[in-house]
Amino acid sequence: QKEVEQNSGPLSVPEGAIASLNCTYSDRVSQSFFWYRQYSGKSPELIMSIYSNGDKEDGRFTAQLNKASQYVSLLIRDSQPSDSATYLCAVNVGSSASKIIFGSGTRLSIRP
Amino acid sequence: KAGVTQTPRYLIKTRGQQVTLSCSPISGHRSVSWYQQTPGQGLQFLFEYFSETQRNKGNFPGRFSGRQFSNSRSEMNVSTLELGDSALYLCASRGTSGGNEQFFGPGTRLTVL
Repeated sequence: QKEVEQNSGPLSVPEGAIASLNCTYSDRVSQSFFWYRQYSGKSPELIMSIYSNGDKEDGRFTAQLNKASQYVSLLIRDSQPSDSATYLCAVNVGSSASKIIFGSGTRLSIRP
Repeated sequence: KAGVTQTPRYLIKTRGQQVTLSCSPISGHRSVSWYQQTPGQGLQFLFEYFSETQRNKGNFPGRFSGRQFSNSRSEMNVSTLELGDSALYLCASRGTSGGNEQFFGPGTRLTVL
């Protein structure tokens, strides 16, 4: 089992709709969870971090964490063509806060 | 604040050679992590340095090594290059206050011929 799993996509969503991206992780002691966006040919850019169960909102983005189910998700409201990118879920593993492992990413395409 | 910088941005080497990549973290950040990104394997953790000490290590052969200097700048070395080492090498820095967020540099694109 991979430590961090994501559906590779592509996920196609119409402009203005909600895009929902999901991620599961295997390490029960993980405490830090991140979503990064990566455009083709660019480096990952941090969108959201979440540390506690529940929802965290930042503009059009909402991260949701459920530690009991070992599940973290990212919702993008009012999707724009500029949101088309690969979204990477990242989780710390083990007791170390500083070893952060990435999922393989979900490719999101927003169609006009 | 200036972001994470990496040099060089592009590099072409041949099999058997060695290469050294450099990363300067965000000012005040003391943690630097290195990752290898390939289309087939995604983003894979190489190692993390904090205050000149390697704190974590991924599952890469000993040909991959790194170090960190007293000013937090970090270098990564790959010896005896193989074709499979062709990848985007990313470094990320993290501060010591607040959350655990990492910020990436632009990466070094290494091509091994």
